[in-house]
Amino acid sequence: NAGVTQTPKFRVLKTGQSMTLLCAQDMNHEYMYWYRQDPGMGLRLIHYSVGEGTTAKGEVPDGYNVSRLKKQNFLLGLESAAPSQTSVYFCASGSRGTGVNTEAFFGQGTRLTVV
Amino acid sequence: QQQVKQSPQSLIVQKGGISIINCAYENTAFDYFPWYQQFPGKGPALLIAIRPDVSEKKEGRFTISFNKSAKQFSLHIMDSQPGDSATYFCAADRRNSGNTPLVFGKGTRLSVIA
Repeated sequence: NAGVTQTPKFRVLKTGQSMTLLCAQDMNHEYMYWYRQDPGMGLRLIHYSVGEGTTAKGEVPDGYNVSRLKKQNFLLGLESAAPSQTSVYFCASGSRGTGVNTEAFFGQGTRLTVV
Repeated sequence: QQQVKQSPQSLIVQKGGISIINCAYENTAFDYFPWYQQFPGKGPALLIAIRPDVSEKKEGRFTISFNKSAKQFSLHIMDSQPGDSATYFCAADRRNSGNTPLVFGKGTRLSVIA
């Protein structure tokens, strides 16, 4: 049981380049999330999805786009990378609702450096 | 505006001591309060969680204390061990509202020294 898998684990980009981070979960969760983690800033929500075909903005959405074409996958795109997007990116998935265990399961993270 | 405020930012505790991390929230609609533990190079993982209808929950050496009137909750780690050295995040959730995501505190880096 893989849980939440993020691809790639490490990446170095030049300013202005684009890339897509892939998150895949095998727990049939409805909800998926993208966070970024920076020193002293904690986990900040970028975008999230409450189901296949839906997405919503989080706390820091600028410069990122997402897509949820399949329930098990959640893609995070950077169209034109900037040094300010250097961070560790975490994907998470979970179930929601009263009476349901709402634990969020996190992937191992993607360390992105933009030079 | 930060919805969940966590303190301290970092904490150093002697082996065998008690580690205490505090969180405060403003939104009374929150109805679920989990703590996540993150080791270096890993993603956060659920450690323990509490609902506001109880004032305390204990799992092994980890205890959550919850004060609904003060809108505060805290994590206590008894008999702290070097293996507990990690970053801890408190969070808050509105399970009854359906579509809103977890809100995290900024984290506390705990170092347990021998």
